[in-house]
Amino acid sequence: AQKITQTQPGMFVQEKEAVTLDCTYDTSDPSYGLFWYKQPSSGEMIFLIYQGSYDQQNATEGRYSLNFQKARKSANLVISASQLGDSAMYFCAMREGEGGGADGLTFGKGTHLIIQP
Amino acid sequence: DTAVSQTPKYLVTQMGNDKSIKCEQNLGHDTMYWYKQDSKKFLKIMFSYNNKELIINETVPNRFSPKSPDKAHLNLHINSLELGDSAVYFCASSRGQGAGEQYFGPGTRLTVT
Repeated sequence: AQKITQTQPGMFVQEKEAVTLDCTYDTSDPSYGLFWYKQPSSGEMIFLIYQGSYDQQNATEGRYSLNFQKARKSANLVISASQLGDSAMYFCAMREGEGGGADGLTFGKGTHLIIQP
Repeated sequence: DTAVSQTPKYLVTQMGNDKSIKCEQNLGHDTMYWYKQDSKKFLKIMFSYNNKELIINETVPNRFSPKSPDKAHLNLHINSLELGDSAVYFCASSRGQGAGEQYFGPGTRLTVT
């Protein structure tokens, strides 16, 4: 079974609209972390936002926010007021267990977001 | 002021050759990683390493070996390259505590012909 599921392979959104990128996860570990990364066409991986499993509030970083619904095991990324530069692949990822070890991230298959003028 | 750097950025080589990719981080992080991104953009952890442990993804062939001369470097050595090894390889690093967000290098595009 997939541990990270991103159900939207591609999305087209009008500039200035808000965007929600879906992510659901599967783990039996009570302690975990959820991450979103952006990969523009230039290829680098850019860390956007983090949510810990014990965090009471949804994480926010500028125009990015994470809609964390623990009971539903979802961690959707919301981008407010989208810009042309937001066009990229977006990956949801999970770290299982407490931070501090040498655990790698498990990634979803990504969502290709295209912002249209 | 590159945080995580990799060399080379592009690597084209023939089947059967042995090659290395170098990674360096200047963030003072304790843990480093290698990921493989295939042609469908799927990212998968290959190795993670800190000064205490090496974790190897069991699906990685033993032709791949990480080598860490010190905490700031984690190189990837690949023996007997195969066509299926063609991919983008990313190095990443993270602090040994806290959230554990990982910072990625620019990637190395390996093409095996």
